[in-house]
Amino acid sequence: GAGVSQSPSNKVTEKGKDVELRCDPISGHTALYWYRQSLGQGLEFLIYFQGNSAPDKSGLPSDRFSAERTGGSVSTLTIQRTQQEDSAVYLCASSSNRVGETQYFGPGTRLLVL
Amino acid sequence: GESVGLHLPTLSVQEGDNSIINCAYSNSASDYFIWYKQESGKGPQFIIDIRSNMDKRQGQRVTVLLNKTVKHLSLQIAATQPGDSAVYFCAEMRLEYGNKLVFGAGTILRVKS
Repeated sequence: GAGVSQSPSNKVTEKGKDVELRCDPISGHTALYWYRQSLGQGLEFLIYFQGNSAPDKSGLPSDRFSAERTGGSVSTLTIQRTQQEDSAVYLCASSSNRVGETQYFGPGTRLLVL
Repeated sequence: GESVGLHLPTLSVQEGDNSIINCAYSNSASDYFIWYKQESGKGPQFIIDIRSNMDKRQGQRVTVLLNKTVKHLSLQIAATQPGDSAVYFCAEMRLEYGNKLVFGAGTILRVKS
């Protein structure tokens, strides 16, 4: 079946502009996660949605970052007034809501802020 | 690209040899430990996981060992193949805080033919 998909695959923007990154999770997965991967680094947790519960936003680095999940499926990560240090690969993952369930990752969106 | 290697440790092995990739973790309260493989330009791919109450788990050509005494996790790959070349990440999960993963820095595995 279809895996996690993300769009766009690449995004180049100018400093100060807003960007929106989209994630389509695996159908039926109730949990959705956003991570960020800077060049040569491991993955850093950003935000986590689980069903209808309030999202866990503890990993968002600043108030310029926000995310929403509409209808319990598609999620959008928004970065306002982008900075050069926001350049990274933004990865989305989804899983079922079973305890310790495997997270399946999308291919990521490569963001470059000039 | 190649600049990833500036920051990550690299393990080079001959095709057909066994590989051992190591990871040290910090949180003794973690419930699950997971290994992911990431090829260039792709998202991480699940390899194998292990619960904190286990010491060893085997999959196809892979074995994960967990030593809670020294907070050490290892991934063993048998008969390493060129297709195993990738960056390998360990991750830990503490269910008390939901399913979010805390990732290690990663190790580059290069397989020489």
